[in-house]
Amino acid sequence: EPEVTQTPSHQVTQMGQEVILRCVPISNHLYFYWYRQILGQKVEFLVSFYNNEISEKSEIFDDQFSVERPDGSNFTLKIRSTKLEDSAMYFCASSALTRSTDTQYFGPGTRLTVL
Amino acid sequence: KNEVEQSPQNLTAQEGEFITINCSYSVGISALHWLQQHPGGGIVSLFMLSSGKKKHGRLIATINIQEKHSSLHITASHPRDSAVYICAVGDTDKLIFGTGTRLQVFP
Repeated sequence: EPEVTQTPSHQVTQMGQEVILRCVPISNHLYFYWYRQILGQKVEFLVSFYNNEISEKSEIFDDQFSVERPDGSNFTLKIRSTKLEDSAMYFCASSALTRSTDTQYFGPGTRLTVL
Repeated sequence: KNEVEQSPQNLTAQEGEFITINCSYSVGISALHWLQQHPGGGIVSLFMLSSGKKKHGRLIATINIQEKHSSLHITASHPRDSAVYICAVGDTDKLIFGTGTRLQVFP
């Protein structure tokens, strides 16, 4: 069964460093998402991406964040200058059809630890 | 802004018991999702509902659009059902998540 994959599973970085989290969505899916979950808190939407552009973003997704689909298979989330409060589990998801009315398939997550 | 409330926050049950988890939301939505988060953190989609009722194995999900309420039922619960169950509502391009219900089923 097709699945969403994410690398790395765990990333440790120093405050102020740039990190890139990678995701490979399911191959025929058209909509891509990033969510984050701070330890002990609920999952929060960061950004959705369709047709090579951001379709919606949350207040959390400020200028320090960017997303890219560089090669038609990977979908990346870049945090330019990490802060302690960026420590969280980051989930990538994809869906085949329209946005929030279609089943979203989640990757296993990347745990980001900022020291 | 849509608020998603789940109850209870924590639930313990004996194997075989019937489980109900509730979700309510404040603003009209396009769809409601029930998700399961395993202890390791992975998230799996269980159901996506826009009306009525869906059943998959021992899991049943219902939604009442007028009352802005959904329930997830687990029949004949089993220890392997132990997980966090999350309700999320579809709002344009994003999902808005509830805080989750932590379920522990004991043998």
